[in-house]
Amino acid sequence: GAVVSQHPSWVICKSGTSVKIECRSLDFQATTMFWYRQFPKQSLMLMATSNEGSKATYEQGVEKDKFLINHASLTLSTLTVTSAHPEDSSFYICSARDGTHSPYEQYFGPGTRLTVT
Amino acid sequence: GQQVMQIPQYQHVQEGEDFTTYCNSSTTLSNIQWYKQRPGGHPVFLIQLVKSGEVKKQKRLTFQFGEAKKNSSLHITATQTTDVGTYFCAGRGSSNTGKLIFGQGTTLQVKP
Repeated sequence: GAVVSQHPSWVICKSGTSVKIECRSLDFQATTMFWYRQFPKQSLMLMATSNEGSKATYEQGVEKDKFLINHASLTLSTLTVTSAHPEDSSFYICSARDGTHSPYEQYFGPGTRLTVT
Repeated sequence: GQQVMQIPQYQHVQEGEDFTTYCNSSTTLSNIQWYKQRPGGHPVFLIQLVKSGEVKKQKRLTFQFGEAKKNSSLHITATQTTDVGTYFCAGRGSSNTGKLIFGQGTTLQVKP
């Protein structure tokens, strides 16, 4: 089946620094990638949608300049949390959609747990 | 905007009992998906429902999509301890390529 990888799986950083998270589709071409954030015991909240080669579409309330998304190829998208603060600590999950097959199933990565100290 | 509500938030059952979680959307959906997330893990795709009134079964799991394509349910028969986790429904809007909106999830605990 389709596999999506994320790197790193967990990261601890100091307040004010930037962190980059990578999301890769390993055996299919992801025309669209999604970034979600999940706080403890809460649901997945969509942060942004990115299509390969174009700018990401951010959900309301998500700061574009803080969460930089780059979808440079059909197999790689990156999320950079800039000037991280403790309140950015969360579980970040990417999801990739194989747009060439029905039913446009989304495949989720294993997530990245970010802790900002 | 589109909202997906899911109830109950938590459910504790004795092993062998049945379990049901319900999902309601504020708008008509093109399809609905169900995911299971184990503690500490990431969501794993279970199934997608597309047609009005559709019913699908996976062993002890039965998934239904309402006639109006605005609600859905997941029913587990004779729960086992391996069923523990959080079950999320996720609805896609009118476009088949629209974004997936997740419900709040139902966390299932099963007492052996």
